[in-house]
Amino acid sequence: GQQLNQSPQSMFIQEGEDVSMNCTSSSIFNTWLWYKQDPGEGPVLLIALYKAGELTSNGRLTAQFGITRKDSFLNISASIPSDVGIYFCAGQEVQGAQKLVFGQGTRLTINP
Amino acid sequence: DAGITQSPRHKVTETGTPVTLRCHQTENHRYMYWYRQDPGHGLRLIHYSYGVKDTDKGEVSDGYSVSRSKTEDFLLTLESATSSQTSVYFCAMSGGAGQPQHFGDGTRLSIL
Repeated sequence: GQQLNQSPQSMFIQEGEDVSMNCTSSSIFNTWLWYKQDPGEGPVLLIALYKAGELTSNGRLTAQFGITRKDSFLNISASIPSDVGIYFCAGQEVQGAQKLVFGQGTRLTINP
Repeated sequence: DAGITQSPRHKVTETGTPVTLRCHQTENHRYMYWYRQDPGHGLRLIHYSYGVKDTDKGEVSDGYSVSRSKTEDFLLTLESATSSQTSVYFCAMSGGAGQPQHFGDGTRLSIL
């Protein structure tokens, strides 16, 4: 099935550093979503983007919907230990059943 | 997400036995989804529902069936479980019309 190209697959950073990850697709989406998953839990929605070019923040998180509608990035500023987890991007169909296409995830590890 | 719960959270069973996983939501959302999550594959859609008694197949539907007799409940059944169906299963819901999906906390299923 279709999958988004998410990079990097993993990141090892020091506490306090900024983080950047991105997703690209060969298809156009009208909605981009970013989720975070902690061990033993389901993905939790961080940011939803609905318009090409849109830049949205949620605390230390900032995400942008690419102008071409084929890509998106997520930045985390001044990382803290609770940012550890797996981050997923997802493109959502607007028509029909609102199905999601997921990236493979970015595993973030933070050294204190 | 407090509005969506999955049961059981963990299950161990033997090959060839039937298994039913339950997803319950309290948001009166129209759309519900079942995913499986496996290392190296990310989240893959098994089946989804766009209303009571309205369901359709996702990308990995072989060996699975679903039922939705009430808006709040979406059941996933493995008629005769196989070891390849060992996975973590997630349910999600969406209100539709571009609204993002929200996930349950998952069911870890082991088939021996």
